[in-house]
Amino acid sequence: GAVVSQHPSRVICKSGTSVKIECRSLDFQATTMFWYRQFPKQSLMLMATSNEGSKATYEQGVEKDKFLINHASLTLSTLTVTSAHPEDSSFYICSARGNPEASPGETQYFGPGTRLLVL
Amino acid sequence: GQNIDQPTEMTATEGAIVQINCTYQTSGFNGLFWYQQHAGEAPTFLSYNVLDGLEEKGRFSSFLSRSKGYSYLLLKELQMKDSASYLCAVMDSNYQLIWGAGTKLIIKP
Repeated sequence: GAVVSQHPSRVICKSGTSVKIECRSLDFQATTMFWYRQFPKQSLMLMATSNEGSKATYEQGVEKDKFLINHASLTLSTLTVTSAHPEDSSFYICSARGNPEASPGETQYFGPGTRLLVL
Repeated sequence: GQNIDQPTEMTATEGAIVQINCTYQTSGFNGLFWYQQHAGEAPTFLSYNVLDGLEEKGRFSSFLSRSKGYSYLLLKELQMKDSASYLCAVMDSNYQLIWGAGTKLIIKP
């Protein structure tokens, strides 16, 4: 299957600082990238969807000014958690896919996730 | 509204067979996916069904009935490493994935 990488895998930061997480599709061009958050023992929660070269679409309840998403190329998307607070501590997972209209079965491939701990 | 239902938790014995059900109501349908997620890790793709019927892939099989809005994931010859959460997701008419909450499968020796 396709490979999606995420960096960093773990990050610990102080409250009030900003953290940037990178998501890269290594062997295919990702038309769309997704950012999810998962709290312990809970299901995946979609935060936002981003298409290359356009603004991200945020899910209800997700602050776009706090979670900045940049999808600058077909292989890279970044999520910046600005002014992080302890309640932002979570497991952040990105996923990427090609063009589902051309091939609906082309699945979303997930990155390994980034565990964020805000002190 | 859109809705995906699957059991919260299931328990099975090593070497046995288990069936995880998923029912859905979505705006349009462009296929149903099953993912496996081990604790602390990202989901990994297991299967994709868009036509009715059974898709077999090794020890895992996935079934779909579009008229009933129903799918199941069948795991045979269970191994301890199969202990994980299994996520059902449906791609709607806008090609967005709608996720179920996941079924935690516990395998006992």
